[in-house]
Amino acid sequence: GAGVSQSPSNKVTEKGKDVELRCDPISGHTALYWYRQSLGQGLEFLIYFQGNSAPDKSGLPSDRFSAERTGGSVSTLTIQRTQQEDSAVYLCASSLVGGQGSGNTIYFGEGSWLTVV
Amino acid sequence: EDKVVQSPLSLVVHEGDTVTLNCSYEVTNFRSLLWYKQEKKAPTFLFMLTSSGIEKKSGRLSSILDKKELFSILNITATQTGDSAVYLCAVSGGSNYKLTFGKGTLLTVNP
Repeated sequence: GAGVSQSPSNKVTEKGKDVELRCDPISGHTALYWYRQSLGQGLEFLIYFQGNSAPDKSGLPSDRFSAERTGGSVSTLTIQRTQQEDSAVYLCASSLVGGQGSGNTIYFGEGSWLTVV
Repeated sequence: EDKVVQSPLSLVVHEGDTVTLNCSYEVTNFRSLLWYKQEKKAPTFLFMLTSSGIEKKSGRLSSILDKKELFSILNITATQTGDSAVYLCAVSGGSNYKLTFGKGTLLTVNP
């Protein structure tokens, strides 16, 4: 597709269940990012993938959160044993190369809205 | 820890008004400051600023950075209802891929 595609767009889950959120970056983009946006808050960095390099996981809030990127393309963010405070919009983004720079724009997907009840 | 503070948090204006949105920051090893527009879901890129005093302009939107005072402003002239959105400010510091965002300014433009 033309843009970053995320699924599901909305997910309601019960506390304690695991969820998987998927991101299809723009074709050819080597860099992929996950951010979280809680209600009334700014975007919070979660994880960054660049090509075959080891990902920067420094933003993951707890060990219940994990992410992988298979074949340098699609990425999955997994949240185990979900808690109510995990409720947020999870935004994926991609760019041709790493980092926002001159001529290198980070494109965001429309996000997956997660509600934990 | 890097920090971005935006003001005001929300703003309501009438079509045709001019607005100024503010962004102040604290960041280690500043690389760039970015502005995004978020209408419903996906933030879209507006400007990237790296140098002080150089205005970036796109149509009715313009932005400038002051690296001495550590702030940026986003101006929108002759506002239209389509400008209604959340405007996000972000900075990149030591790593150019890890952006720190402010909470955003919710702009509502009434007809």
